[in-house]
Amino acid sequence: DAGVTQSPTHLIKTRGQHVTLRCSPISGHKSVSWYQQVLGQGPQFIFQYYEKEERGRGNFPDRFSARQFPNYSSELNVNALLLGDSALYLCASNLGGSYGYTFGSGTRLTVV
Amino acid sequence: GDSVTQMEGPVTLSEEAFLTINCTYTATGYPSLFWYVQYPGEGLQLLLKATKADDKGSNKGFEATYRKETTSFHLEKGSVQVSDSAVYFCALILNAGNMLTFGGGTRLMVKP
Repeated sequence: DAGVTQSPTHLIKTRGQHVTLRCSPISGHKSVSWYQQVLGQGPQFIFQYYEKEERGRGNFPDRFSARQFPNYSSELNVNALLLGDSALYLCASNLGGSYGYTFGSGTRLTVV
Repeated sequence: GDSVTQMEGPVTLSEEAFLTINCTYTATGYPSLFWYVQYPGEGLQLLLKATKADDKGSNKGFEATYRKETTSFHLEKGSVQVSDSAVYFCALILNAGNMLTFGGGTRLMVKP
């Protein structure tokens, strides 16, 4: 069975640009969460979506947005990129509730 | 707010040495506790978990006991291997919560 898949694995963007990151959850998982992991730090919660509705949002600016599609896949969008947005972006899925989060391998975003 | 504090690394050990990585937490509610491991260039893998006080999580020779009285969840392994070299993250989630709160991570380096 496929795990959580994220694309692309790496990308480089210029300050001010926009980026879209994609995540496909494990089959049957209806919840998708996004985390930002800056180098040398622990992951920070950005969003959670369950059944296409936003269920939680972390302390991130409005430049960050996300959505979940009917097939439960998800996109994370970041507008007006800053150098400080350079990080590993992790997607995690679970059936719902508080347990059993499975993480993808992440998308490494570098903003130059 | 909720927080997780881990001992700072790197922790450098010789193969077959005993490992302890300290983790303490503060939480507004009653959390479940987790240890995740991150190998170079990869996402997070769930190592073990405990959902209530005095529970012991274990996996691959690693153990951690949920100590409510000391708000701790220390990770231990009796004999580390070179392949255990990675970054270890302690995390919590509140029951009925929707976000994992991570510590800053502890890098473990095991030398042959």
